[in-house]
Amino acid sequence: DGGITQSPKYLFRKEGQNVTLSCEQNLNHDAMYWYRQDPGQGLRLIYYSQIVNDFQKGDIAEGYSVSREKKESFPLTVTSAQKNPTAFYLCASSIVASNNEQFFGPGTRLTVL
Amino acid sequence: AQSVTQPDIHITVSEGASLELRCNYSYGATPYLFWYVQSPGQGLQLLLKYFSGDTLVQGIKGFEAEFKRSQSSFNLRKPSVHWSDAAEYFCAVGARNQFYFGTGTSLTVIP
Repeated sequence: DGGITQSPKYLFRKEGQNVTLSCEQNLNHDAMYWYRQDPGQGLRLIYYSQIVNDFQKGDIAEGYSVSREKKESFPLTVTSAQKNPTAFYLCASSIVASNNEQFFGPGTRLTVL
Repeated sequence: AQSVTQPDIHITVSEGASLELRCNYSYGATPYLFWYVQSPGQGLQLLLKYFSGDTLVQGIKGFEAEFKRSQSSFNLRKPSVHWSDAAEYFCAVGARNQFYFGTGTSLTVIP
């Protein structure tokens, strides 16, 4: 089955530690996205990538980093510089065009202890 | 700048009643419009989308939406709500290869 997988589903980290969230897709999509979701704030774009080895900052990129070494993979690192990292993180992918829908993974819930 | 407004943070309806969720957008050109649904702790699932043509679009799970250019709106409707429709609903605009999401409307369905 084609789709997007995110792992792990739940992630706990201690304050001051970096942590990497995995996102893999087998839809052959060129574009991939990371969103952060907080209650009452909808989805906010962290980073996006439209082609391998290239990515762009979204609205809230500070304290996050990404890489896009392979078309199917777009991992997100939450660094210790992120002031309030506890949130639900969603990965998505799409064909590169404004009229194409984004397909979402199941999300990762990150909790900083 | 593009923006999407969902004026209703939370809506409660009785099972079997009709539903309308509001969405207004701000965009200079003809937008690409989407409605997504999210169950608790899950990702988003596409309900329907509008690109052009017929302004009334049909989606999955019995949902439909109507694009009204004069009102810059893309409201989601369902004639008879089921308990399983309880979820968070997001309206989105596609522009310049990005999506702009509204803040969502949480739907509660009471028996």
